[in-house]
Amino acid sequence: NAGVTQTPKFRILKIGQSMTLQCAQDMNHNYMYWYRQDPGMGLKLIYYSVGAGITDKGEVPNGYNVSRSTTEDFPLRLELAAPSQTSVYFCASSYLTGNTEAFFGQGTRLTVV
Amino acid sequence: RKEVEQDPGPFNVPEGATVAFNCTYSNSASQSFFWYRQDCRKEPKLLMSVYSSGNEDGRFTAQLNRASQYISLLIRDSKLSDSATYLCVVNTNAGKSTFGDGTTLTVKP
Repeated sequence: NAGVTQTPKFRILKIGQSMTLQCAQDMNHNYMYWYRQDPGMGLKLIYYSVGAGITDKGEVPNGYNVSRSTTEDFPLRLELAAPSQTSVYFCASSYLTGNTEAFFGQGTRLTVV
Repeated sequence: RKEVEQDPGPFNVPEGATVAFNCTYSNSASQSFFWYRQDCRKEPKLLMSVYSSGNEDGRFTAQLNRASQYISLLIRDSKLSDSATYLCVVNTNAGKSTFGDGTTLTVKP
């Protein structure tokens, strides 16, 4: 059982480049989330989705975009990468929101140089 | 002030010790509360939910004090394998999850 799968696991980008972080879940969860985690810090919500076709901004959305065309996939797009976007990115999903457990992918370690 | 604040740590304890972490939250509309565990360079995983009546899972006990707006996690008889970062998570009814910055625990032989 795959759960939440993120690709790639590691990536180095040059300033100004763009990339898409992929996230897929096979648990038929409606809710999906993108977080970033800077060293020694907690997770900050970038974007989330409550179902296919519906997305909304989280706490730190600037510099990112998302789409949700299917229940399974929730890609995160970085446009014009900046050093401040160097971080570990986690995708997560949950069946409901609020009171239910969130399942996380293994993370993508992104370095912008 | 951060919405969710945790003991800064790190906590370094010997095997067998009892250790407690606290977490305070500022949003009185918060509805649900969790402790997640995060191993070094890994993804967070749910350790336990926190209920108003308090709950226990083996060596772990979680408690909630709504009046004072804090939650706690108690670990008894610490094991080496308990070494990790413990994240406090607070959800509003609208589904917004706010993570604390985590408290790092190192259990030493």
